[in-house]
Amino acid sequence: AQSVTQLDSQVPVFEEAPVELRCNYSSSVSVYLFWYVQYPNQGLQLLLKYLSGSTLVKGINGFEAEFNKSQTSFHLRKPSVHISDTAEYFCAVMPGTASKLTFGTGTRLQVTL
Amino acid sequence: KAGVTQTPRYLIKTRGQQVTLSCSPISGHRSVSWYQQTPGQGLQFLFEYFSETQRNKGNFPGRFSGRQFSNSRSEMNVSTLELGDSALYLCASSKDSGFTEAFFGQGTRLTVV
Repeated sequence: AQSVTQLDSQVPVFEEAPVELRCNYSSSVSVYLFWYVQYPNQGLQLLLKYLSGSTLVKGINGFEAEFNKSQTSFHLRKPSVHISDTAEYFCAVMPGTASKLTFGTGTRLQVTL
Repeated sequence: KAGVTQTPRYLIKTRGQQVTLSCSPISGHRSVSWYQQTPGQGLQFLFEYFSETQRNKGNFPGRFSGRQFSNSRSEMNVSTLELGDSALYLCASSKDSGFTEAFFGQGTRLTVV
């Protein structure tokens, strides 16, 4: 079984400041890792994914994440946030053997002026 | 290229009734997965269908069921509705099972009164 922990339920940040959203996972098998964003009353949009290869993954909207196998982490970062980045962010894992995403509880990113 | 279409967007039902939600995947996608999103439990996997066959199933009671048609459209049904079934139901489509990128619809907001 897999589990995902997003340690911060809310992260307030000023516009143009850097941000890191933390994600740790647990799994007895190899997994793929994902970050999704959800805007109010919307579905989920894929920001980025780690399947294999380089541990630094770049995604859309200037976001990037680094896979750290020894720490079982997959933290999301952005060097300079914008008001429009205000949304809920979900970290998720999927075992290589099944098409089933296990999500974290989400982190609400609130960007203010 | 049209995205994932879920209908209806909003639904209000009474306890004890049943409901059917519909999901039309992206053209050419054969895998459809369903997720339930609630404030208390977060995002939880319901089931996945691929080529009209259920491939994976989450930990939900038998009141939750689904099916997939030959054109890959999928429906999920919830019988004997309970107040706790109130949630956002999200559908995701991908090209095939064992996907590495899923595209989500905007969801159906079900309210049980």
